[in-house]
Amino acid sequence: DQQVKQNSPSLSVQEGRISILNCDYTNSMFDYFLWYKKYPAEGPTFLISISSIKDKNEDGRFTVFLNKSAKHLSLHIVPSQPGDSAVYFCAASDQEGGSNYKLTFGKGTLLTVNP
Amino acid sequence: KAGVTQTPRYLIKTRGQQVTLSCSPISGHRSVSWYQQTPGQGLQFLFEYFSETQRNKGNFPGRFSGRQFSNSRSEMNVSTLELGDSALYLCASSLVNPQETQYFGPGTRLLVL
Repeated sequence: DQQVKQNSPSLSVQEGRISILNCDYTNSMFDYFLWYKKYPAEGPTFLISISSIKDKNEDGRFTVFLNKSAKHLSLHIVPSQPGDSAVYFCAASDQEGGSNYKLTFGKGTLLTVNP
Repeated sequence: KAGVTQTPRYLIKTRGQQVTLSCSPISGHRSVSWYQQTPGQGLQFLFEYFSETQRNKGNFPGRFSGRQFSNSRSEMNVSTLELGDSALYLCASSLVNPQETQYFGPGTRLLVL
């Protein structure tokens, strides 16, 4: 049972435009969400996170939105740059639970930003 | 501060062999998690260690095992390798809890022939 779903395997965007990557989750116990970026032949790199007590978190060109009622989060990249081309993973955890001891990852979305 | 290091970076083995992968976490980090990444499957959780104790384990067969040493360095072992074990194996560390932000190493690419 996949608890974190990224339903778009790939996304193609023009340079300078907005990239929107989506993620849905099913486990209502999740209270902390993260986005990672991964280039080929490298490990994932932490990008941005959000706690369930917030509905938005911004860091430069990256903004994550959380809609708890819909169990949905999205990552917005504005403006998109060719260097943003990578696989983006959504991850979630149950921080308050304390006994889970893991992050649960989606399958990733390949973002391609065309010059 | 040095990042997470993994050795070796690449490995070729044949079916039936066993393999040991090593991970050194960021200095001060005591939680180490292991993931398997295969095309189309994302990052699948293998197990997590803290203070030499396994705290959580994913849905992998018993051929996959791990351990953590007193200096927080960790190893994972796969015995009786199968073709389907070919994957990128990633190690990640965090200060105490993997529910916090994890920092990943570059991975070990394993090819089983």
